Amino acid sequence: GDSVTQMEGPVTLSEEAFLTINCTYTATGYPSLFWYVQYPGEGLQLLLKATKADDKGSNKGFEATYRKETTSFHLEKGSVQVSDSAVYFCALSGSGGSYIPTFGRGTSLIVHP
Amino acid sequence: EPEVTQTPSHQVTQMGQEVILRCVPISNHLYFYWYRQILGQKVEFLVSFYNNEISEKSEIFDDQFSVERPDGSNFTLKIRSTKLEDSAMYFCASTAAYEQYFGPGTRLTVT
Repeated sequence: GDSVTQMEGPVTLSEEAFLTINCTYTATGYPSLFWYVQYPGEGLQLLLKATKADDKGSNKGFEATYRKETTSFHLEKGSVQVSDSAVYFCALSGSGGSYIPTFGRGTSLIVHP
Repeated sequence: EPEVTQTPSHQVTQMGQEVILRCVPISNHLYFYWYRQILGQKVEFLVSFYNNEISEKSEIFDDQFSVERPDGSNFTLKIRSTKLEDSAMYFCASTAAYEQYFGPGTRLTVT
């Protein structure tokens, strides 16, 4: 079945540091890929998405590129802020025609001033 | 921008009681979902709903759970006899395609 693997957290960074959160996936067909963010005490918010190979999703300074050859969708940001502290979930859907997303376990990001 | 809403934001109930969690999906969406997230763990799929019937469900969604779309706007999750292990954040989502829009969640605490 489909699966999403994310790097273990927490990731702890200083403000303005470079962020990478790794995500790899296993899926049949050609899924769409997503990053969701969950701020403390809140629900999931879509951060960015990519629907086909080599697409780059971007939002709020975050980027991720759909790499079919490495089955990866790593999340990056050039300069993190304290307000980016949250849990980040990588997900895929549309594999085999299913709309139901498969989520990774989430990676907690803690940014210190 | 349209959004998914959920009520209540926090529900406390005693073990064995019935609870109903409510969701208002985005109005032109056709697929509706419930997920749960036990504190600190991954988001788990419970059930999907399309055309007024369940289209998929996970093994978590046993006979204690039911879903309903009682009118044109609400989508509810009922837990008939709550257990301590039902304590979790419950998220509703709706979609018109592959992108899912999540509500803010209902935190259910079973004591």
